[in-house]
Amino acid sequence: QSVLTQPPSASGTPGQRVTISCSGSSSNIGSNYVSWYQQLPGTAPKLLIYRNTQRPSGVPDRFSGSKSGTSASLAISGLRSEDEADYYCAAWDDSLSGGVFGGGTKLTVL
Amino acid sequence: EIHLVESGGGLVQPGRSLRLSCAASRFTFDDYAMHWVRQAPGKGLEWVSGISWNSGSIGYADSVKGRFTISRDNAKNFLYLQMNSLRAEDTALYYCAKGSNIRSDSLIDYWGQGTLVTVSS
Repeated sequence: QSVLTQPPSASGTPGQRVTISCSGSSSNIGSNYVSWYQQLPGTAPKLLIYRNTQRPSGVPDRFSGSKSGTSASLAISGLRSEDEADYYCAAWDDSLSGGVFGGGTKLTVL
Repeated sequence: EIHLVESGGGLVQPGRSLRLSCAASRFTFDDYAMHWVRQAPGKGLEWVSGISWNSGSIGYADSVKGRFTISRDNAKNFLYLQMNSLRAEDTALYYCAKGSNIRSDSLIDYWGQGTLVTVSS
């Protein structure tokens, strides 16, 4: 049971916009930054979004992050087949004094 | 490109110990916190432990507290994870990961490729 809650799966067709949610609490998302990671099959995770909304250089602007209260979201617009991957949200948890991840969302491009 | 290379994984019996290492390069190692994150086969990511730039602040997940010890050698650019009293549920791919600043609560911005630890008799 992950501290942060994500839907286990999401899907869309090429060109569509999909959103992945991440729900937490006041001790994690509510009081700390959220990061998002993309894990392509058989590879290590890669940073997609940091500080709730910021994109590292090299990450396409099709990817965007948002946060409101104790929830965060990752939006992917102009969906492409290469976006098919697992996506994880993460935050620091002040009560646990540790990092916490969502359970991951498997994105399928139909 | 930042380089993190883990080593030390393998097959180990329950109750035994293992020490993981992570060689860091192409960035100023002692300017950043470091973390270990694991991923059990077919499962999600689990934060294991984090250490600040100068080892002054260290944290552990409850699942490993008292059994695992994180450490770093800034002179050699190495991160370590000493794992004692290993259990079957510790079986996972262990990732070395770089924090985004000096603090142990910094989020992760780069990951290694991982080293597999299998705990089984």
